Amino acid sequence: EVQLVESGGGLVQPGRSMRLFCGASGFTFGDYAMHWVRHGPGKGLEWVAGISWNSGSIGYADSVKGRFTIYRDNARNSLYLQMSSLRVDDTALYYCAKSPTLRAGYRNDWFESWGQGTMVIVSS
Amino acid sequence: SYVLTQPPSVSVAPGQTARITCGGNHIESKHVHWYQQQPGQAPVLVIYYDTDRPSGIPERFSGSNSGSTATLTINRVEAGDEADYYCQVWDTATDHLVFGGGTKLTVL
Repeated sequence: EVQLVESGGGLVQPGRSMRLFCGASGFTFGDYAMHWVRHGPGKGLEWVAGISWNSGSIGYADSVKGRFTIYRDNARNSLYLQMSSLRVDDTALYYCAKSPTLRAGYRNDWFESWGQGTMVIVSS
Repeated sequence: SYVLTQPPSVSVAPGQTARITCGGNHIESKHVHWYQQQPGQAPVLVIYYDTDRPSGIPERFSGSNSGSTATLTINRVEAGDEADYYCQVWDTATDHLVFGGGTKLTVL
């Protein structure tokens, strides 16, 4: 069974940094693209970033480009999101999500499995 | 950037059919995926590639994509179907994954 477990969220002041972590199990992590998706309070779902199975291609939403960095460690079955220059509107529940496609890029993708999310609150 | 338009809410009586639409420019040329998000839960994929249903999703859920509208259809609606539903596509112009604004399905 696919399991994705996020952690690292919490309360952070505007302008500061935070790193999110997603631990994966139940599948060959290194064979699948992965994504971060967020759900802000009173808002809909928003794709944040995606990374191909081998880290060869990476993409970001315009709202986070230049501030967030997605990366992975296939040896540790781990996905990360390094967030800097955080803003109040980055406040959201951040989900880690798995692509369904074997050894593909993050483009033209969808989300087969989701974690339960980790909450990030940006506030002074 | 590519915009997907969903109605904010849809209401239906138990046993009836719910249709949730997702509009976008030339959406028929894109693959549309649908997610169900129940309160306090992570999203769940219910339809992918316009019409395909993941294992474990009831046959009551179906999808279509033609003209300028994709549609998620839920037959014989049950109280447990009450949730937010989101459509999603890949925007080739921006290399971004895009979600619709979401539709809250209320079972009367």
